[in-house]
Amino acid sequence: GQQVMQIPQYQHVQEGEDFTTYCNSSTTLSNIQWYKQRPGGHPVFLIQLVKSGEVKKQKRLTFQFGEAKKNSSLHITATQTTDVGTYFCASSNTGKLIFGQGTTLQVKP
Amino acid sequence: DAGVIQSPRHEVTEMGQEVTLRCKPISGHNSLFWYRQTMMRGLELLIYFNNNVPIDDSGMPEDRFSAKMPNASFSTLKIQPSEPRDSAVYFCASRIATGRTGELFFGEGSRLTVL
Repeated sequence: GQQVMQIPQYQHVQEGEDFTTYCNSSTTLSNIQWYKQRPGGHPVFLIQLVKSGEVKKQKRLTFQFGEAKKNSSLHITATQTTDVGTYFCASSNTGKLIFGQGTTLQVKP
Repeated sequence: DAGVIQSPRHEVTEMGQEVTLRCKPISGHNSLFWYRQTMMRGLELLIYFNNNVPIDDSGMPEDRFSAKMPNASFSTLKIQPSEPRDSAVYFCASRIATGRTGELFFGEGSRLTVL
């Protein structure tokens, strides 16, 4: 069935360092969504990418969708302690939204 | 505007007891999803509904789990009988289904502990 694999599982960075998480699929994805879950909270939608090669930015966050629509990445420039949490990619080729395992980011002040 | 509302927020019960989790989606949303989150298995999709009709329940672990959506503003997830391995956070989420896309809005979750 449809699966999205996410790496790394955990990342510890010093405040001010950059952070990237990757999402990969063996099949072509019709779209990719990214969510953030703060510790003890619920997933919150960040963005959706639909087009091949699409790049979107939200302040320090940059989201990319691969040319083949089989991978995606989220890059955070100059991390801050407020960036702490788990970042999930998710895709819905058939209407049901399947989540990757998530990357948990820890930021040391 | 009110978001997705789930109840109870926390439930502690003993093995063998029936558990009912409740969800009120955002008004106007026509798709509803139930997810289970654990450290080991991450966010697992259990079942989702479109226009109150169950579309895919392939993620429902066993016959002990059942979900209903009697109307557009209410859904339940029932576990009977409950087992310790059912301990998890259960999230309900809703969205306006537009083809295969659409932002998903999550409730705050129901944390279930089965002793």
